[in-house]
Amino acid sequence: AQTVTQSQPEMSVQEAETVTLSCTYDTSESDYYLFWYKQPPSRQMILVIRQEAYKQQNATENRFSVNFQKAAKSFSLKISDSQLGDAAMYFCAYRDTGNQFYFGTGTSLTVIP
Amino acid sequence: DGGITQSPKYLFRKEGQNVTLSCEQNLNHDAMYWYRQDPGQGLRLIYYSQIVNDFQKGDIAEGYSVSREKKESFPLTVTSAQKNPTAFYLCASRRQRFSGNTIYFGEGSWLTVV
Repeated sequence: AQTVTQSQPEMSVQEAETVTLSCTYDTSESDYYLFWYKQPPSRQMILVIRQEAYKQQNATENRFSVNFQKAAKSFSLKISDSQLGDAAMYFCAYRDTGNQFYFGTGTSLTVIP
Repeated sequence: DGGITQSPKYLFRKEGQNVTLSCEQNLNHDAMYWYRQDPGQGLRLIYYSQIVNDFQKGDIAEGYSVSREKKESFPLTVTSAQKNPTAFYLCASRRQRFSGNTIYFGEGSWLTVV
């Protein structure tokens, strides 16, 4: 099984500021996908952003962007102009060539007004 | 509306009882998954199914069983052999055809042993 590590159990950010959530993973595969999911208090898992390993360009979705470092096996999420609605649990996930998804333990993000 | 429906939202189980969590999707997705979520442990895979009438064990399958008789449905039974079943359970599905497709989740079911 692949290992996904989120080393920051909790993070906080001032409203309108930028925050970066860290994620590292362990794999011997060269072709895979990485994801960030958001889980608000409702517990609904929502896809935030997706990165394909063979693409060097970092994915962006509006205020969300990633810093994908394939050699370092690092996949961080940057949230710009943080909003109160960004407060949630964030999970990093890895999808292997067998279509299995592996999740980190999550980072709880607090947005301070 | 298209989506993944899990029921019930809240379920209480007595010691020694089997209970079944329902998961239905109308997204025409091929693969379906069951995850368990405990505090501080993220999501752990219980079972998954890539096609009808076929399923595989995940990392924590002991004490659980599933069936996949229809493409739309993937019920999870929590048996009395599961010693610590109190958790939040998430069902997910995915379309196989496109390699980039992610999984989409239902709203989850809370199971509590009383």
